[in-house]
Amino acid sequence: DTAVSQTPKYLVTQMGNDKSIKCEQNLGHDTMYWYKQDSKKFLKIMFSYNNKELIINETVPNRFSPKSPDKAHLNLHINSLELGDSAVYFCASTPYSGANVLTFGAGSRLTVL
Amino acid sequence: QKEVEQNSGPLSVPEGAIASLNCTYSDRVSQSFFWYRQYSGKSPELIMSIYSNGDKEDGRFTAQLNKASQYVSLLIRDSQPSDSATYLCAVDDSNDYKLSFGAGTTVTVRA
Repeated sequence: DTAVSQTPKYLVTQMGNDKSIKCEQNLGHDTMYWYKQDSKKFLKIMFSYNNKELIINETVPNRFSPKSPDKAHLNLHINSLELGDSAVYFCASTPYSGANVLTFGAGSRLTVL
Repeated sequence: QKEVEQNSGPLSVPEGAIASLNCTYSDRVSQSFFWYRQYSGKSPELIMSIYSNGDKEDGRFTAQLNKASQYVSLLIRDSQPSDSATYLCAVDDSNDYKLSFGAGTTVTVRA
């Protein structure tokens, strides 16, 4: 039973489109994250939610909008996709905010053409 | 995001040798340090955590921390081809509840 699951695993789309990535965790964790990993493997945090509340919002274009309907789900919607958005997006969770041991999902590879 | 720098790879070692990975960080008050391993096309997985100065050993892996020098390292002894992966150093941000990651060092173990 997958602990942190993301869908879709692969996403290929055209510039200007809008797309969403979904994440669910069944670990009972309170805190969830979105990380972006670019082609050089640099992993950078984008957002964090603790029990549905936004607690970390890094300098990310406002075309990116996270939503957490409950503490087990964290979705990422991206408007007006650009070439530079191509990356692997990882969802992760921790038992509580401030815990540093991340459990990652398998990643969603987004390719913008 | 605070800076975390890793020695640039790729690092190629023969099977059975020691692979040595280095990481420096900018936040003087960071308290928690981690090494994640990421196989190609997979997600990062935690392999070591270290919180106190000195060495911490777990099987073939040894993490070393020197807070005065703001330096953390990972040694992989008796390297195996299955150790071929990218190793990411991560450091906690003392002000926010998040980890800052280095760009990773790719290790290739030659059989």
